[in-house]
Amino acid sequence: DSGVTQTPKHLITATGQRVTLRCSPRSGDLSVYWYQQSLDQGLQFLIQYYNGEERAKGNILERFSAQQFPDLHSELNLSSLELGDSALYFCASSHRTGGYQETQYFGPGTRLLVL
Amino acid sequence: SQQGEEDPQALSIQEGENATMNCSYKTSINNLQWYRQNSGRGLVHLILIRSNEREKHSGRLRVTLDTSKKSSSLLITASRAADTASYFCATGVNSGYALNFGKGTSLLVTP
Repeated sequence: DSGVTQTPKHLITATGQRVTLRCSPRSGDLSVYWYQQSLDQGLQFLIQYYNGEERAKGNILERFSAQQFPDLHSELNLSSLELGDSALYFCASSHRTGGYQETQYFGPGTRLLVL
Repeated sequence: SQQGEEDPQALSIQEGENATMNCSYKTSINNLQWYRQNSGRGLVHLILIRSNEREKHSGRLRVTLDTSKKSSSLLITASRAADTASYFCATGVNSGYALNFGKGTSLLVTP
């Protein structure tokens, strides 16, 4: 158990819908990262937050957004969902800013299926 | 975009044998990490090797890093069925904070 929790574990929804994925980092970790894992694209970095502020952006679509709250939990919002958004979404956390690519601790993931 | 590329894509061995996976990357790194993922589950950090290190051990794991060749290898000795998983190398790009993962090596260890 990494100490990172993600809810829900599974999510089935329809195209055009909007969903919110939630992540609670390990106690004391200030950085939260979101990754998407799909069969064709592999594991891709989406976005990072550090202590409530956006720190880095990766291959995140404009239809996707995230935020980190004062209690350090984070939410990833996916809107206008398309079939191709079906994937495993992972949250990871690390203690500091993530400088020099610290060890990251991954949650169990949310499996999203868009029908 | 993927920075690391693992090789082979898939590896099947018997318990007790050693498993070697390789990773190549394209740009300069500060460190390189290896993660394991059991089927459909979260990634578990295995080992981190810094750019000024050449070899690192952790239990049955041995990682090497050759920055001149931009490559790393992960050796699992005396493999067990429980080692069956996908193994990913991860690097950062320059001062970037996030990890870039390869597509992984799928390891199957049969009894």
